[in-house]
Amino acid sequence: SQTIHQWPATLVQPVGSPLSLECTVEGTSNPNLYWYRQAAGRGLQLLFYSVGIGQISSEVPQNLSASRPQDRQFILSSKKLLLSDSGFYLCAWRRRYSGNTIYFGEGSWLTVV
Amino acid sequence: KQEVTQIPAALSVPEGENLVLNCSFTDSAIYNLQWFRQDPGKGLTSLLLIQSSQREQTSGRLNASLDKSSGRSTLYIAASQPGDSATYLCAAGVAIQGAQKLVFGQGTRLTINP
Repeated sequence: SQTIHQWPATLVQPVGSPLSLECTVEGTSNPNLYWYRQAAGRGLQLLFYSVGIGQISSEVPQNLSASRPQDRQFILSSKKLLLSDSGFYLCAWRRRYSGNTIYFGEGSWLTVV
Repeated sequence: KQEVTQIPAALSVPEGENLVLNCSFTDSAIYNLQWFRQDPGKGLTSLLLIQSSQREQTSGRLNASLDKSSGRSTLYIAASQPGDSATYLCAAGVAIQGAQKLVFGQGTRLTINP
């Protein structure tokens, strides 16, 4: 069976500090990978998606970046966090060639202080 | 641009009632419609996925319907239980370059009272 792991679960970071959130998927290969953010009082917004190693597409301009160094690893980063980066970050995956269901990880709570 | 709306934003009902959650979308060019459950502070659990060619899907006490022409989906929960209390999100699957993404509604926060 497939599983998705995301860490850390909770993070409190000062403004201007760097960020690294990591996500890995097990039990599948060549998945489509996604980073979503859920800000307080707002819906889920797609930040980045990837269809393969090193291939990153951004949905919205922002202070964040993403990387996919391995097939089943997806990393969300920032060099200098802003207060507005606070929120709940969710990694997700989908089988590329069959099935439409998108599966989500448990999420990472980021508070920038 | 696809927009997804969920009504009501919050719903509180006594245990045992049947209930319907509503979801509407503006663009009928969707691959699918997916319903999720989110418990407080947690990730999303997929409940049901309806392909664009389908009219409904059922899983246990849950039944989801899809009417692409009217841009609507409903999630029917039968014989509600306190454990059903959560936020329910619907999301439309739409095409993006080389992949597919979900466009989410704001969710309906459901409370089932014992």
